Amino acid sequence: AQTVTQSQPEMSVQEAETVTLSCTYDTSENNYYLFWYKQPPSRQMILVIRQEAYKQQNATENRFSVNFQKAAKSFSLKISDSQLGDTAMYFCASSGGSNYKLTFGKGTLLTVNP
Amino acid sequence: NAGVTQTPKFQVLKTGQSMTLQCAQDMNHNSMYWYRQDPGMGLRLIYYSASEGTTDKGEVPNGYNVSRLNKREFSLRLESAAPSQTSVYFCASRLAGTDYNEQFFGPGTRLTVL
Repeated sequence: AQTVTQSQPEMSVQEAETVTLSCTYDTSENNYYLFWYKQPPSRQMILVIRQEAYKQQNATENRFSVNFQKAAKSFSLKISDSQLGDTAMYFCASSGGSNYKLTFGKGTLLTVNP
Repeated sequence: NAGVTQTPKFQVLKTGQSMTLQCAQDMNHNSMYWYRQDPGMGLRLIYYSASEGTTDKGEVPNGYNVSRLNKREFSLRLESAAPSQTSVYFCASRLAGTDYNEQFFGPGTRLTVL
């Protein structure tokens, strides 16, 4: 079984600043993947960044990067140079096992203020 | 290439009515999934289909049935709708064996049961 915990229901940041969203997880799988999804008001689920558990190097995608601490089972998302368009709900998720079902956290609502 | 499509986008039902949510993908993916999203709960897996001809229960299957009609289509049926099934429903698909085993999401269906 997998569990994903996001301890920050809401966060806010000023435009152009940096913000970090926290996520911890638990899994019994040896091979698993971790994801951050963004959900803007349009409701569409948009993949932001992904990480394979066996890769030690932290994933980066432009202004988005993760801090993956495998031993601590932590997977935080850092957003640099925050933009107004980053305002959204962010979900941390893990997948693994034979069918790679996704398990989601409850989400963090991020507001970027001008 | 439309990706994952869902119909309808919105639906209002009365308690006891039945309906089918449709999902189709044109990416030749093997696996398909149905999730529901409730406020403050993140997304939870209802049913999934690892491949054409197979379906399995997820975390919250009660009150639902599914059909994997062919490789492209995966429908979710509510036989007797209840107010507790008011939610946003997402369909997703995955191509097995690819890097990250990433899931691609449809735009969602907002269902209200009165």
